[in-house]
Amino acid sequence: GAGVSQTPSNKVTEKGKYVELRCDPISGHTALYWYRQSLGQGPEFLIYFQGTGAADDSGLPNDRFFAVRPEGSVSTLKIQRTERGDSAVYLCASSLTGPYTGELFFGEGSRLTVL
Amino acid sequence: AQTVTQSQPEMSVQEAETVTLSCTYDTSENNYYLFWYKQPPSRQMILVIRQEAYKQQNATENRFSVNFQKAAKSFSLKISDSQLGDTAMYFCAFMKTSSGTYKYIFGTGTRLKVLA
Repeated sequence: GAGVSQTPSNKVTEKGKYVELRCDPISGHTALYWYRQSLGQGPEFLIYFQGTGAADDSGLPNDRFFAVRPEGSVSTLKIQRTERGDSAVYLCASSLTGPYTGELFFGEGSRLTVL
Repeated sequence: AQTVTQSQPEMSVQEAETVTLSCTYDTSENNYYLFWYKQPPSRQMILVIRQEAYKQQNATENRFSVNFQKAAKSFSLKISDSQLGDTAMYFCAFMKTSSGTYKYIFGTGTRLKVLA
């Protein structure tokens, strides 16, 4: 596809369950970002990948959150033992590496609702 | 740590008028980028305009321009000839370019409504 694709677009789960959110970036984009956006708020940084490795995971709120990008393309954000406070839209974005582009391309997000 | 502040939660403007959205940031870095992103009600964010900190000239993109004041750490967005399609959330963002990592920090956003 031409853009960043995120699945599922909506996920409803029960407290305590495990969820996975998938992001398929634009082909050739080596940088991939996960953000969390609560209603009426700005995107909150979670983690940033450069290739297969996490270059900065300082935004992950606790050890229930984990993300992988094993082949340097698709990434999965994994949330264990979900809590109601995890409810938000999870945004994925990708970009070419380097400051000369600087533009983030966002997906439409995955809306997570924890009941 | 870098922070980005948008002090106007909501603004409105009449169609065809001009509006300015404010953004301030805090950093000790000298090399960085600043951005304005637009998020329409459909949710997907798109880039409006960007500014490299080393450039003194303010960036412009058609009806969109910025007023970049590096010493004051201010980065406002001016939208001229506002159109109904400009109705959206607008986020100011900062990216430092030192140490080879490119982490973007976003402000809390300004909800802009263009009135017919």
